[in-house]
Amino acid sequence: ETGVTQSPTHLIKTRGQQVTLRCSSQSGHNTVSWYQQALGQGPQFIFQYYREEENGRGNFPPRFSGLQFPNYSSELNVNALELDDSALYLCASTQQGLNTEAFFGQGTRLTVV
Amino acid sequence: AQRVTQPEKLLSVFKGAPVELKCNYSYSGSPELFWYVQYSRQRLQLLLRHISRESIKGFTADLNKGETSFHLKKPFAQEEDSAMYYCALALRVGGGADGLTFGKGTHLIIQP
Repeated sequence: ETGVTQSPTHLIKTRGQQVTLRCSSQSGHNTVSWYQQALGQGPQFIFQYYREEENGRGNFPPRFSGLQFPNYSSELNVNALELDDSALYLCASTQQGLNTEAFFGQGTRLTVV
Repeated sequence: AQRVTQPEKLLSVFKGAPVELKCNYSYSGSPELFWYVQYSRQRLQLLLRHISRESIKGFTADLNKGETSFHLKKPFAQEEDSAMYYCALALRVGGGADGLTFGKGTHLIIQP
């Protein structure tokens, strides 16, 4: 059984640029959620993907978008980066259903300068 | 709107002492609550969930709907319990699988 893996681990971008973060879900999991964790804060829900479609969204603007692929892996794209987008981005995978445990990746640390 | 509050940013107790990490929530529906833990240099992982009513690593948490609380307790703290603890509330975002609303976390330090 393989765990949730995210790439890259660290990234530095300039304000206004675009970034793509990647996540491979845990074996057997078909649902991927993305979270943003600013320094000193808990993770904040961005959105969730199931069956290659967005299945729910938190309070994030449209410049945050995503994709899910047939193998259940996922991408998070952020356009027009702002300084406040600097954070740890976490991916979590689950199996669709009630009360299933979310397994988290190690995260991608994004710094916007 | 859903909200999870963890009032203590930092909690320091001595080994062998009881531990209580506080969590309060606001949610209009029937809540599903979890405690996640992050040990140093490790990823976030589930500690326990209220629906299973189990004890993990000696920790328990009881959902009190009247007080809208889900405090995490352990009678005798151990040094390996030092970690960051997050209380989380499940969101019903779609067909069943859930996003989570997290509190800001409590850093628990167990002193020898």
